[in-house]
Amino acid sequence: DQQVKQNSPSLSVQEGRISILNCDYTNSMFDYFLWYKKYPAEGPTFLISISSIKDKNEDGRFTVFLNKSAKHLSLHIVPSQPGDSAVYFCAASDWRDDKIIFGKGTRLHILP
Amino acid sequence: DVKVTQSSRYLVKRTGEKVFLECVQDMDHENMFWYRQDPGLGLRLIYFSYDVKMKEKGDIPEGYSVSREKKERFSLILESASTNQTSMYLCASSLMGSSGGEQFFGPGTRLTVL
Repeated sequence: DQQVKQNSPSLSVQEGRISILNCDYTNSMFDYFLWYKKYPAEGPTFLISISSIKDKNEDGRFTVFLNKSAKHLSLHIVPSQPGDSAVYFCAASDWRDDKIIFGKGTRLHILP
Repeated sequence: DVKVTQSSRYLVKRTGEKVFLECVQDMDHENMFWYRQDPGLGLRLIYFSYDVKMKEKGDIPEGYSVSREKKERFSLILESASTNQTSMYLCASSLMGSSGGEQFFGPGTRLTVL
């Protein structure tokens, strides 16, 4: 039973355009959401997060949007750059626990 | 700057061997985690620990055990390695009570079991 779902295994976007990565969750107790980025042969690194009391958080080229009623969040990357090519993991946590539940990841390819 | 190190980047073992994967963090974090990453399956939690000598099973603990004798060190043990344990193993740490807080990951160990 997947609590965090990333339904697109891969996504290709032209350099300079907007990349939109989507994530859905099922557990209404989740109150914090994170995005991690992973390059091959490296550990994931934290990218951006959002609390459930907000609907948007922005950090440079990265913006995360949260729609609690739809149990959906998205990561926007504008403009997309070649170094953004990586696997992106959506993750969520419940205030009662220090664990993070990860989605299966979306591989983003930025095309020249 | 948080640093999580793992003892090996690449490891090749034979079926039936006992395998130790070591993880050390230098930020005095209470929480430590072991995940495995497989294509199409994402990051799956094997075991985690909230304190020294404490351990909790994650989603896929079968075939694994862990040891946490010191706060900074968390070991993953494959008692008798099997080919289906060929995977990328990732260790992470975080602060206690950091619900929703960032986990810091090591570089990973790619284990191949022949």
